[in-house]
Amino acid sequence: AQSVTQLGSHVSVSEGALVLLRCNYSSSVPPYLFWYVQYPNQGLQLLLKYTSAATLVKGINGFEAEFKKSETSFHLTKPSAHMSDAAEYFCAVSPNNAGNMLTFGGGTRLMVKP
Amino acid sequence: DTEVTQTPKHLVMGMTNKKSLKCEQHMGHRAMYWYKQKAKKPPELMFVYSYEKLSINESVPSRFSPECPNSSLLNLHLHALQPEDSALYLCASSQGTVVAGELFFGEGSRLTVL
Repeated sequence: AQSVTQLGSHVSVSEGALVLLRCNYSSSVPPYLFWYVQYPNQGLQLLLKYTSAATLVKGINGFEAEFKKSETSFHLTKPSAHMSDAAEYFCAVSPNNAGNMLTFGGGTRLMVKP
Repeated sequence: DTEVTQTPKHLVMGMTNKKSLKCEQHMGHRAMYWYKQKAKKPPELMFVYSYEKLSINESVPSRFSPECPNSSLLNLHLHALQPEDSALYLCASSQGTVVAGELFFGEGSRLTVL
């Protein structure tokens, strides 16, 4: 079975600082990996996805993530945090023969201080 | 139109009531999903419909009954629920279930069972 683990249920950064949200996956074969964002009282929105093409994936709102097979990681980064980035972020994994069957990590709440 | 619309946004029901949650999309997507999200937890997959047929039921209790009347509509019928069923119920859709595309989520229906 595939799974993802998000290190840190809460991350706090200052506005303008680097954002780093950590995600490690467990899978016997290369999976598909995703980052979703959930703003308060809303559904989830796809930020970016990795599907075995380029290992550095760029997403919306200035976010990017790098797939590192040797570290089984798919960390999410953004060079400069904005107040509007405050939200819950979920890393998700799916098998590569059922790309939309997502299993979500526990989530990381990003707080941005002025 | 890239929206998934869920109604009602909020629902309060007693344990003996029968109610339904509704979901609608007009993106031509052929896969639709129900997820359950408890507070401060990730979404958990409940049901998947592919081409209007139930393809996945993640061992959900029979007091939850999904229905897909056509390719644009997805219902979740609720009967004899328990207080622990109180949660945010998210509907999502995608072009299919195999290719790793994007899931489009609605804003959810927040259910409270008294």
